[in-house]
Amino acid sequence: KAGVTQTPRYLIKTRGQQVTLSCSPISGHRSVSWYQQTPGQGLQFLFEYFSETQRNKGNFPGRFSGRQFSNSRSEMNVSTLELGDSALYLCASSLGPGQDTQYFGPGTRLTVL
Amino acid sequence: QKEVEQDPGPLSVPEGAIVSLNCTYSNSAFQYFMWYRQYSRKGPELLMYTYSSGNKEDGRFTAQVDKSSKYISLFIRDSQPSDSATYLCAMSESTDKLIFGTGTRLQVFP
Repeated sequence: KAGVTQTPRYLIKTRGQQVTLSCSPISGHRSVSWYQQTPGQGLQFLFEYFSETQRNKGNFPGRFSGRQFSNSRSEMNVSTLELGDSALYLCASSLGPGQDTQYFGPGTRLTVL
Repeated sequence: QKEVEQDPGPLSVPEGAIVSLNCTYSNSAFQYFMWYRQYSRKGPELLMYTYSSGNKEDGRFTAQVDKSSKYISLFIRDSQPSDSATYLCAMSESTDKLIFGTGTRLQVFP
């Protein structure tokens, strides 16, 4: 069974731009969560989607948003990029809320110049 | 104070050693405890998953959870150079919204 896939793997943007990252969960998984990983803060929870609805949200500004499609694929968007948004963005999928734990993709490394 | 505390290391051990990795936490509502391994430039890989207190063993890996002390451990027996990675503890009240430790960097030298 294929794992979680994320595209693109690497991205370079400049301040003020916006970016969209994509995540395809493991087949049969319906929950998708997003995390930001930085050297200073470690892994921090961004948000979680299930059945196209956001179920949980972390402590990030409104510039960070996401959505989930009917096939469980998810996208996250960051608008008005700041230098501090440079990070590894990780997507994780699970069967559903309260079912099993989360399996991570390889991440998208975003660099903001 | 962070909800989950983990010594960042680095921890350097010889091949064959027993490695002990630990995390402490403050939220008594945490019920699900996980250990992930992350190689450089890769996503975290699930190693162990434990619900509530107790021990769980899988090959060379043993996870322990002591909810009364709010303390979890991961033991690696007969450590190998291929175990060199960053080990992240994670926990949650449900299986959603994982709270991670900062990770411990482990190096196993031949």
